[in-house]
Amino acid sequence: VVLTQSPGTLSLSPGEGATLFCRASQGIGGTSVAWYQQKRGQAPRLLIYGAATRATGIPDRFSGSGSGTDFTLTISSLEPEDSAMYYCQQYGNIPLTFGGGTNVGI
Amino acid sequence: QVHLVQSGAEVKKPGASVTVSCKTSGFNISHYSINWVRQAPGRGLDWVGWISDGNVFPQFSLNFRDRLTITWDAPTATAYMDLRSLTSEDTAIYYCARGISASVSTHFDHWGQGTLVSVSS
Repeated sequence: VVLTQSPGTLSLSPGEGATLFCRASQGIGGTSVAWYQQKRGQAPRLLIYGAATRATGIPDRFSGSGSGTDFTLTISSLEPEDSAMYYCQQYGNIPLTFGGGTNVGI
Repeated sequence: QVHLVQSGAEVKKPGASVTVSCKTSGFNISHYSINWVRQAPGRGLDWVGWISDGNVFPQFSLNFRDRLTITWDAPTATAYMDLRSLTSEDTAIYYCARGISASVSTHFDHWGQGTLVSVSS
């Protein structure tokens, strides 16, 4: 399953909202999509799983939605520390695959 | 607390092999899995393979199937990834990551710090 993320880059200001998209080349079983945040020089961090469930300790300004082939990560009010790459991942089909990422700059 | 601690950076020549280890603590592997994910310089994330405790047939991405061995050492709670016949395209940071279920259909809730493998003549 190929995951296509858009846009490739977002440049926004603190307090603004961001919407990141992840489209699958075929339907993903259920809502088996996760989102990760990766800051420069760090390992990825799980934000969302099951398309819409926040991982432990993730602020509620991060939310996920979607099913089938189209998924969305929304950041409601950006903070400077949200500058990072964001990746979606599907785990409904083998091999597991990741999207190419969206670079969010603040 | 869950921890995954990986071995240090490696520099290898083309055609050589590399072994990366991932020592785990703070959880029982029987309910989880260990996955390997790699990231080439400036690129995105690429799933490499999966293993769970007691499963003698690890799952691999087809891109690596003939060159890759993933093992789990239960007494030391350590996962190993062996990659053979290295080329410059294998230059990447290799991460181990805990899968939240023992199934291969999983996402990853804890990650190691990453191991840089550089392949150059």
